[in-house]
Amino acid sequence: AQRVTQPEKLLSVFKGAPVELKCNYSYSGSPELFWYVQYSRQRLQLLLRHISRESIKGFTADLNKGETSFHLKKPFAQEEDSAMYYCALKGRSSGDKLTFGTGTRLAVRP
Amino acid sequence: DAMVIQNPRYQVTQFGKPVTLSCSQTLNHNVMYWYQQKSSQAPKLLFHYYDKDFNNEADTPDNFQSRRPNTSFCFLDIRSPGLGDAAMYLCATSRGGQGDTQYFGPGTRLTVL
Repeated sequence: AQRVTQPEKLLSVFKGAPVELKCNYSYSGSPELFWYVQYSRQRLQLLLRHISRESIKGFTADLNKGETSFHLKKPFAQEEDSAMYYCALKGRSSGDKLTFGTGTRLAVRP
Repeated sequence: DAMVIQNPRYQVTQFGKPVTLSCSQTLNHNVMYWYQQKSSQAPKLLFHYYDKDFNNEADTPDNFQSRRPNTSFCFLDIRSPGLGDAAMYLCATSRGGQGDTQYFGPGTRLTVL
């Protein structure tokens, strides 16, 4: 079975502070990992995925297979980063299905 | 230029009264998904279509059914809504295959009175 754990429901930081949103997964195989974001009153949208190895809006995430983690990081948080962040996993054995974590709400204070 | 459209955005129904939620897409994607999301919980996959092939999740109640009459449209039918079915219902689409991305609609918030 595949499982995604986001241990923090809420993460509150000051503007300019570093941010790390934690994500751990359970999957016996090579998963694809994603971060989705939902800004206030907007739809859920892809932020980044591990196979692209890209930085989006200053966010990066590295897949650590040894620790089964895919933490989302940004060195300097901005107020517009305030949103709900979901980590998601797609396993080869599950076809096109995504398994989501319960999400972490990031609040960036001025 | 919305790519995944859900109607209505808000739906109120009565206990036991059938309700249909609608999703359409302009992306010509092969796969369409329906998720249920309750407050402070992760989106939970109910079922998905790969083209016309219907894939039901094992724990999706029989009360929930879906139709996909063509590539662009997919419907979620709740035959006899209970109070516990009140939630946000999200539709998503994707091309399918390794590395693809799911595109989400804005969701329909269902209230059951």
